[in-house]
Amino acid sequence: AQSVTQLDSQVPVFEEAPVELRCNYSSSVSVYLFWYVQYPNQGLQLLLKYLSGSTLVESINGFEAEFNKSQTSFHLRKPSVHISDTAEYFCAVTLDLTQGGSEKLVFGKGTKLTVNP
Amino acid sequence: AAGVIQSPRHLIKEKRETATLKCYPIPRHDTVYWYQQGPGQDPQFLISFYEKMQSDKGSIPDRFSAQQFSDYHSELNMSSLELGDSALYFCASSSQTSGLAKNIQYFGAGTRLSVL
Repeated sequence: AQSVTQLDSQVPVFEEAPVELRCNYSSSVSVYLFWYVQYPNQGLQLLLKYLSGSTLVESINGFEAEFNKSQTSFHLRKPSVHISDTAEYFCAVTLDLTQGGSEKLVFGKGTKLTVNP
Repeated sequence: AAGVIQSPRHLIKEKRETATLKCYPIPRHDTVYWYQQGPGQDPQFLISFYEKMQSDKGSIPDRFSAQQFSDYHSELNMSSLELGDSALYFCASSSQTSGLAKNIQYFGAGTRLSVL
């Protein structure tokens, strides 16, 4: 079965500093990878996805993530964070159905990013 | 663009009562998923439906049941509620006819269930 590990439960940073939220996964078959963001008292919003093609994916608000198959990682980065980026970030994986996977998303435990002025 | 709609947003119930949560997927999405997120926890998969048939099942208690209707909306029925059922319940939807994009799940805002 697949699993997702987010190494940092909390990451405090100052505004305009760079940040990296780490995500590693474990799976014996091909996976699809996602980052979801959850603002306080809100639902899950899709931030980034890796399905195929370029291993570097970007969001419209400056986040990027790179799929590294050899290291089984999908770390999330932003060169300069804003206070409005304060939220919880979940890395998630789903398996390639053509290889017998399940559609369900398996989430990491989440990383709470707090951006301080 | 239309998103996944969940109702109600908040629900307060007593122990041993019954609750029904509703989910309206994005138009033309044929697959619905239910997840449970306990306080301070990551979302856990409960159950999914494709074309009105159950397609996968996770850690859903026997006290819970769900179905998908002909208009693709889904309902999660929860009976004999326990204190531990207090959580945020998410519905997500996807389209199985959209190539690789079928693997993308879009989430609703969730229903916050409090069992007293």
